[in-house]
Amino acid sequence: AQSVTQLDSQVPVFEEAPVELRCNYSSSVSVYLFWYVQYPNQGLQLLLKYLSGSTLVKSINGFEAEFNKSQTSFHLRKPSVHISDTAEYFCAVSDIRAGSEKLVFGKGTKLTVNP
Amino acid sequence: DAGVTQSPTHLIKTRGQQVTLRCSPKSGHDTVSWYQQALGQGPQFIFQYYEEEERQRGNFPDRFSGHQFPNYSSELNVNALLLGDSALYLCASSLVGQGVGDTQYFGPGTRLTVL
Repeated sequence: AQSVTQLDSQVPVFEEAPVELRCNYSSSVSVYLFWYVQYPNQGLQLLLKYLSGSTLVKSINGFEAEFNKSQTSFHLRKPSVHISDTAEYFCAVSDIRAGSEKLVFGKGTKLTVNP
Repeated sequence: DAGVTQSPTHLIKTRGQQVTLRCSPKSGHDTVSWYQQALGQGPQFIFQYYEEEERQRGNFPDRFSGHQFPNYSSELNVNALLLGDSALYLCASSLVGQGVGDTQYFGPGTRLTVL
């Protein structure tokens, strides 16, 4: 069975400051890794994903995450946040084996960007 | 290109009643997954439908059932509602034919309140 731990339930930061949202996972098999963002009263939007290849993946709005297999981590970072980044962020994993595409989510990290 | 749509957006029921939630997948997608997101928690996988069959199921009781239609749309049915069933129900669609790891696109969700 897989599990995801998001170490911080809430992260307050000031605008233009850097931020790191931490994610660790546990799995007995190889996994794919995802970060989703949820704005208030909305569904989930994919931010970025790691399937294979380069361990550093980037989103179009400046976020990046690095897959670290030895530490079973997939932390999300942004060098300079904006007010509009205020949202809840979910880390998720899925089994790499065919027929097992369900996503297992962490409990989420609420990012609040203050002016 | 329409994304994933869900109906209704909000629903209020009383304990013991039954409810049906509906989902239309993103154009071109053939697989629908359902998730339950309780307040303050990450989404939890309920089940996935592909080719009108339940393909995978999470740890939910038989009160939760579903269906997929030939046009790939899907319904989630919950019988004998409990207070604990109050949650945001998310539908996600994907295209299994593209292989494991294909992105799941989420709808805006249906907010179910059980009184």
